[in-house]
Amino acid sequence: IAGITQAPTSQILAAGRRMTLRCTQDMRHNAMYWYRQDLGLGLRLIHYSNTAGTTGKGEVPDGYSVSRANTDDFPLTLASAVPSQTSVYFCASSLDGNQPQHFGDGTRLSIL
Amino acid sequence: KQEVTQIPAALSVPEGENLVLNCSFTDSAIYNLQWFRQDPGKGLTSLLLIQSSQREQTSGRLNASLDKSSGRSTLYIAASQPGDSATYLCAVTASNTGKLIFGQGTTLQVKP
Repeated sequence: IAGITQAPTSQILAAGRRMTLRCTQDMRHNAMYWYRQDLGLGLRLIHYSNTAGTTGKGEVPDGYSVSRANTDDFPLTLASAVPSQTSVYFCASSLDGNQPQHFGDGTRLSIL
Repeated sequence: KQEVTQIPAALSVPEGENLVLNCSFTDSAIYNLQWFRQDPGKGLTSLLLIQSSQREQTSGRLNASLDKSSGRSTLYIAASQPGDSATYLCAVTASNTGKLIFGQGTTLQVKP
């Protein structure tokens, strides 16, 4: 079934540890995005990529990095996790920046 | 800085009622506006995308309108059903990069 796959589904992580959230899409979409969703703050864009080989910063990029080596994969890395990064993380993709975005089911991350 | 507001935060209606969800944004220089649905514990599902040059879009029982000059959009749901119960989010982007700014959503409950 075509769509976006995020892994892991959930994770509990000690502060200071490095963590990579995986995102893969099989729709050959050019654009991909990472958001975090927090109660009272809604969804906020962390990083995005309009095409393979390029990335850009969103609204809340500090503490996160991304890479886009190919069309299908867009991993999000927390180099040294902190408790304030506890959140639900969503990956999304779209054919281009002016098309509807398709979302994965999210990764629930708790930093202790 | 663009801000997106959705009022009310929650709404409960009896089955069969027609209803309107509201979205307002502070900066009228948008590229497009999107409406999404989010079920508990799930990712977002795109419902409708309205380009800045359009006034409305329709999909089945859903109709979204856009008044860019006044910074408002509405999502009209006809003949509501219990299966429509979910959180509805609107989001705007100021460019073709797809960098969405989200409202905090309206949680809809349709009672049988």
